[in-house]
Amino acid sequence: SQTIHQWPATLVQPVGSPLSLECTVEGTSNPNLYWYRQAAGRGLQLLFYSVGIGQISSEVPQNLSASRPQDRQFILSSKKLLLSDSGFYLCAWTPRQTEAFFGQGTRLTVV
Amino acid sequence: TQLLEQSPQFLSIQEGENLTVYCNSSSVFSSLQWYRQEPGEGPVLLVTVVTGGEVKKLKRLTFQFGDARKDSSLHITAAQPGDTGLYLCAGATGNEFYFGTGTSLTVIP
Repeated sequence: SQTIHQWPATLVQPVGSPLSLECTVEGTSNPNLYWYRQAAGRGLQLLFYSVGIGQISSEVPQNLSASRPQDRQFILSSKKLLLSDSGFYLCAWTPRQTEAFFGQGTRLTVV
Repeated sequence: TQLLEQSPQFLSIQEGENLTVYCNSSSVFSSLQWYRQEPGEGPVLLVTVVTGGEVKKLKRLTFQFGDARKDSSLHITAAQPGDTGLYLCAGATGNEFYFGTGTSLTVIP
């Protein structure tokens, strides 16, 4: 069966520090991968998606970047965090365009 | 960016009442999903609808996809406290999944 792992679960980082969130999927190959950010009690904002190794599509210009160095690995990064980068970050994968499966999320607090 | 607006944003009802949540967009989607999310966790899929006008039932939940595939509704009959959570619609187009603005439901015992 397929599983998705996302870590860390919580992170407190100072303003100006770098960020690296990692997401890996097991049990499938060539999945579509997604990074979302969510404000408390609100919907998910699509940040990046990838259909293959090295292929990244950005939805919203911002202080973040994404990379896909391996087929089942998706990384969200920042060189210098801003206060506004705080939020709940979710990684997801899709076997087909009719359902998405999510990781447990990372609660990022920038202080 | 595709925008999906959900209404209402917040809903607090008594156990046993019925409710409907709406998801509207000006964009056409190849499929539309409904998810439910608990605090601190990722959303979990409830249903996927792919055909305009399609109606799906999942126990006390009824989902409908609009004829033009731009909107959807979720109806819950006889709500229970276990239905409490954040309900999200999501539309798929091409390789993108866009999520709605969310409806936070609280069912009071």
